Amino acid sequence: AQSVAQPEDQVNVAEGNPLTVKCTYSVSGNPYLFWYVQYPNRGLQFLLKYITGDNLVKGSYGFEAEFNKSQTSFHLKKPSALVSDSALYFCAVSGNTPLVFGKGTRLSVIA
Amino acid sequence: DVKVTQSSRYLVKRTGEKVFLECVQDMDHENMFWYRQDPGLGLRLIYFSYDVKMKEKGDIPEGYSVSREKKERFSLILESASTNQTSMYLCASRGRGGSLDNEQFFGPGTRLTVL
Repeated sequence: AQSVAQPEDQVNVAEGNPLTVKCTYSVSGNPYLFWYVQYPNRGLQFLLKYITGDNLVKGSYGFEAEFNKSQTSFHLKKPSALVSDSALYFCAVSGNTPLVFGKGTRLSVIA
Repeated sequence: DVKVTQSSRYLVKRTGEKVFLECVQDMDHENMFWYRQDPGLGLRLIYFSYDVKMKEKGDIPEGYSVSREKKERFSLILESASTNQTSMYLCASRGRGGSLDNEQFFGPGTRLTVL
């Protein structure tokens, strides 16, 4: 069975500093990996995905994620955090079934 | 842009009532999904559908049923609402047949409270 772990419930970072939101996965076969963001009282918005190819994936709003097969990780990163990045972030994996989501990490960017 | 709409943003129902949550997508997507979102539990898949009149159980189907009579519409039904079904319900759709590398598009969610 496939699964996703987001080990941090909450991440706090100062505005302008780099941010990382962690994600590890377990899936049989090749994984399709996704990051979504949820702003207050909104649905989930797609940020980026890894399907194949370059391990560094660039997405919306300046976010990027690095696929590491040996560590089965897909951490979300941004070089310089903005207060407006404060939201709930979900990692998801799809092997041969519909998307399975992690429990989410709440990111707070402090001015 | 893909648009997924849900019939209500907020809904309050009584225990034992039959509840219908409606979801419509406008991009001719084959795949549609219903999730519930609870704090600390993330998103959990209730039911999904790969085609009209087709449905598959997700991880937590108990107490729910679904209907997909038309390609653009996917309904979630709570036959007899209970307080433990108080939650945020999210609908999503995904295109291109069985292709799993496509992203899902989500509606704004329905926050259901069962009293």
